[in-house]
Amino acid sequence: AQKITQTQPGMFVQEKEAVTLDCTYDTSDQSYGLFWYKQPSSGEMIFLIYQGSYDEQNATEGRYSLNFQKARKSANLVISASQLGDSAMYFCAMREWDSSASKIIFGSGTRLSIRP
Amino acid sequence: DSGVTQTPKHLITATGQRVTLRCSPRSGDLSVYWYQQSLDQGLQFLIQYYNGEERAKGNILERFSAQQFPDLHSELNLSSLELGDSALYFCASSGRQGAGTEAFFGQGTRLTVV
Repeated sequence: AQKITQTQPGMFVQEKEAVTLDCTYDTSDQSYGLFWYKQPSSGEMIFLIYQGSYDEQNATEGRYSLNFQKARKSANLVISASQLGDSAMYFCAMREWDSSASKIIFGSGTRLSIRP
Repeated sequence: DSGVTQTPKHLITATGQRVTLRCSPRSGDLSVYWYQQSLDQGLQFLIQYYNGEERAKGNILERFSAQQFPDLHSELNLSSLELGDSALYFCASSGRQGAGTEAFFGQGTRLTVV
C-alpha cells in the first residue's frame, strides 16, 4: 500500500511566487518523522526540512516551511519567494520506527519548474 | 556537504560482473540506509543497518547484499549484474535508532551496466 502520496507529478511556478507541494501519508504509528528532499538535475539528494510527529510547531528552514496537519495526515512543503534555483525534483518521505528497525520511504516526487 | 561519503561516484561495468559500493556515514551516525533510484523513478528502499546489524529490509534482490563494519562504514555488493541494475545508488545516514532525527544522503554512485 502506498504510504506516501505526492499527487502533483509536475508544477510550473512563476519566479518569486510562493509554491506548495502536496504530500499525504499513511501510518498507524504514533511516532514518525516526515522529511522533504530536493533533487536537482545533478542528482544529489539535498535534505530540506524535517517534522517529527510530536512537534507542535510547524518546521521552518529559511524559505522552506512544512505545513503539518496531523489529523489530515498531510505534510505539505511551502517554498516562499521561489527562485530559479528551486527548479528540481522534490520528494516527501516518512520514517516509521519501532524498537528494532526504521525505514524511510519516499513518495514518487514532484518536478518543480520555476519560470523567469 | 552532507557529511556522507559514497565511492565511487561513477561505475561502468559489464553484465554478469560484481561491484562493491562504499558508504561512510556522518560522524556519530549509527544507521545506514541504502536506496536504488532507477532513471526518472523514486527511491526504492533496499536495506538498513544500525550499529553493524541489519535492521530492515526492503525490495533488495538476492543478488545484492550489504554489511556494516565496526567502523560503521557500509558496503553494498551487487553481483551477476544485469542491464536493469543500472541506477543511482544512494546511502543515507542518521543518528540514534528510533530518534526523530534527520537523515542525510551521500552524493550517490551512478552505476551503468553495459
